[in-house]
Formats: sequence, structure tokens, C-alpha cells
Amino acid sequence: DAGVTQSPTHLIKTRGQQVTLRCSPKSGHDTVSWYQQALGQGPQFIFQYYEEEERQRGNFPDRFSGHQFPNYSSELNVNALLLGDSALYLCASSRGGLPAYEQYFGPGTRLTVT
Amino acid sequence: GEDVEQSLFLSVREGDSSVINCTYTDSSSTYLYWYKQEPGAGLQLLTYIFSNMDMKQDQRLTVLLNKKDKHLSLRIADTQTGDSAIYFCAESIGAGNNRKLIWGLGTSLAVNP
Repeated sequence: DAGVTQSPTHLIKTRGQQVTLRCSPKSGHDTVSWYQQALGQGPQFIFQYYEEEERQRGNFPDRFSGHQFPNYSSELNVNALLLGDSALYLCASSRGGLPAYEQYFGPGTRLTVT
Repeated sequence: GEDVEQSLFLSVREGDSSVINCTYTDSSSTYLYWYKQEPGAGLQLLTYIFSNMDMKQDQRLTVLLNKKDKHLSLRIADTQTGDSAIYFCAESIGAGNNRKLIWGLGTSLAVNP
């Protein structure tokens, strides 16, 4: 079992551009959550996808959007990138309806916006 | 309000015990968690405790919960250099589709040989 995988591992973009990050959940998991972790901070919840729908959302603008595919993998899209979007983006997978202790994290994608 | 606080740094000698403390504000927390993050890596769940428990022990890890004072601690016995990492405290609040995790800023643990 490969666990949660994310791609790419690192990414450099320019202000105003758009970016897509990808996540494959752990085998048997159907729920994907995305977090943003700025340097020196704890993770901030962006949103969660279950059954291909956004089930829950944190305090992030509409520039942040996502998608979940029938195979439970997920994408995070960020439009009109700002310098402040530079962070480690973490994906976590779990099984729908279970408490967060069932949540497994991927290694993250490091996004740098210049 | 929703807030989790931790001290930012802790330094211990190899072989000593480490105690990392955390305070939270939301009394409706259901689960409380400790995660470990090594440099360049994702978050690893170390242990968790249900809010109706006072203590949980798992090998070298002991979690103590004082619900009255909203205080959570993680004790690592016989701390090793491999324990050097950032440790995050998190609380789970809400229920059903409104359940979410509130995270602290993390405590950076340095283990000196």
C-alpha cells in the first residue's frame, strides 16, 4: 500500500498564474481533505471532498477550488496566485464519516509563488 | 472561540523525558491529537485521546488530558535524536459534516546527544 501520494513534490509559479496539485488517497479511503501549511504555522483546513462533492470548506477564497474523481483521487486548483499562497499543501485521506484519527497525510507539495 | 496554543521550542538531552504542552479553548472537543512532522515530510499521527479519557499510554508516549483546565500534554520517555521534529497538537470539534481539526503552531523539539 503506497499510502497517500501527492504530486508534484515542488512547484514554482509566478503571481497571477494558476496551479493544479494532485492527491491519491490511501487504498480503501474515499475522503480527501486539503490543508495549507505556511512556514512556521500549523495546517489550515481548505476543504474536504467525499463522493465527488465538496462536503466542508475552511476560510479560503473562491480562488481555491477542487475536484474529486470517481477513483477518489483529488485535485486542488488555485487561480490568480498571490505571493501569500506560497506554502506546503498537504492532502489527507480518510474513510467518510469517521473521526479524524483515521486521517493519513501525504508528504505535501511545496508551492513557491514568485 | 477556537484556538490551540503550544510553546514553540523545547530542547532536551538524549535519554531524558520530553514533555510538550498544549492548551485549547473549545470545551466541545471530542478528540485531541498529537502529530509529528519531520523536516520536509508530511504529518504523522502519533497518538490521540478521546475527550472522556484522562490518560493514554502507548509505548514511550504518554498523553495526559486535563479537561477542566483544557490542557493536553505529550510525554516522550527516553527521548532519542530521531524524535527531533515539530509536534502539533490538534483538537477535533463539531460533528458530522461540520467536524474539523483546529491546529496549534507546533512545538519544535531538539534532542541533543
